[in-house]
Amino acid sequence: DADVTQTPRNRITKTGKRIMLECSQTKGHDRMYWYRQDPGLGLRLIYYSFDVKDINKGEISDGYSVSRQAQAKFSLSLESAIPNQTALYFCATGAQGTNQPQHFGDGTRLSIL
Amino acid sequence: RKEVEQDPGPFNVPEGATVAFNCTYSNSASQSFFWYRQDCRKEPKLLMSVYSSGNEDGRFTAQLNRASQYISLLIRDSKLSDSATYLCVVGGTYKYIFGTGTRLKVLA
Repeated sequence: DADVTQTPRNRITKTGKRIMLECSQTKGHDRMYWYRQDPGLGLRLIYYSFDVKDINKGEISDGYSVSRQAQAKFSLSLESAIPNQTALYFCATGAQGTNQPQHFGDGTRLSIL
Repeated sequence: RKEVEQDPGPFNVPEGATVAFNCTYSNSASQSFFWYRQDCRKEPKLLMSVYSSGNEDGRFTAQLNRASQYISLLIRDSKLSDSATYLCVVGGTYKYIFGTGTRLKVLA
């Protein structure tokens, strides 16, 4: 079983719909992250969380919200999806401390029509 | 200037060749450095951490030059399976910045 699991893997939806992407992990890491990846732009941080009560905005949080339901679960919501939110979304986890790499889920391919 | 910059490539090299990538970063206070590998439309996977003294893992060697603010990745004896995009990652205490990646194609 994957250590970091994202659902769904693929989603096509319409403008204006509310979407939730879910992420769960079995690595026991405190830190969790949501990124989006667009061609030529690399990975950009949307939100991150260092524990259940700690939520922080990343560089591109507008139009998104998150919920850290438990140490192992971190979900990302698009309140009213728009076409320019079409992208590949990754959840990642990391242990505390420096020199701790992040570990990624398989990604969610989201298309908004 | 971007916080982390990489040559996008592609680097087209024959099997067995040695190839090197560099990555520059702008924040001199950065503390963590990594190379990730990403295959097309897949998740990034950790290739190796980069330590101040340099480190090697099989055919891969990573180095850090703090004075000039760059990290490098050297791949020896390239294999077809090394074809991928290589992401440079630079981190502080909580935030990691990902480069846009360098694409490598190893040709038979």
